[in-house]
Amino acid sequence: EIVLTQSPGTLSLSPGERATLSCRASQSVRSSYLAWYQQKPGQAPRLLIYGASSRATGIPDRFSGSGSGTDFSLTISRLEPEDFAVYYCQQYGSSPLVTFGPGTKVDIK
Amino acid sequence: QVQVQESGPGLVKPSETLSLTCTVSGGSISSNYWTWIRQPPGKGLTWIGYIYYSGSTNYNPSLKSRVTISVDTSKNQFSLKVSSVTAADTAVYYCARGYGSGWDEVYFDYWGQGTLVTVSS
Repeated sequence: EIVLTQSPGTLSLSPGERATLSCRASQSVRSSYLAWYQQKPGQAPRLLIYGASSRATGIPDRFSGSGSGTDFSLTISRLEPEDFAVYYCQQYGSSPLVTFGPGTKVDIK
Repeated sequence: QVQVQESGPGLVKPSETLSLTCTVSGGSISSNYWTWIRQPPGKGLTWIGYIYYSGSTNYNPSLKSRVTISVDTSKNQFSLKVSSVTAADTAVYYCARGYGSGWDEVYFDYWGQGTLVTVSS
């Protein structure tokens, strides 16, 4: 069973700064089947990235994903006020078919 | 634009069965993987399972013994049942569209707003 670990648990940054979030898998993620989601309080998660590096429809280009194997990252090049939220990674395709990481909270410093 | 919307009771008694329905609009349910995900208050996301329009299902092994997902293509709806619920099943339940080229390549691109289900007597 693949277990996802996200770090840091909380990232405190200021608007305009660069954010780098990490997602590590306990074993290799098949075909880089890794997605990232953003969740704001009281809202459903929103798909940002799929296939490790492909942006979903309508996602600004300040969001980028990279990585393969067991190490993946989500980068927000310049934080906007609306980017302060919790971010989850998700692997798909390995047993069990879907697992989520515990999340990284990006809050305002 | 696809929209999905959960409906069902917000309160269920312990040992009873939780039942929710998701209505799909703006697109046909006759493709893609229709999914249930839950999130206990203040905690992370757990995939429950998904169903293809043909009726084939895949469940999280940790919940499989208590979960049933079904689809009604004539109503563009799919449903979730969780039996023998306890307080640990208290969560916001989301329905979502799973997108992928195969049952083992699915991520989630459209989500409902979620519905809180509380298990309490």
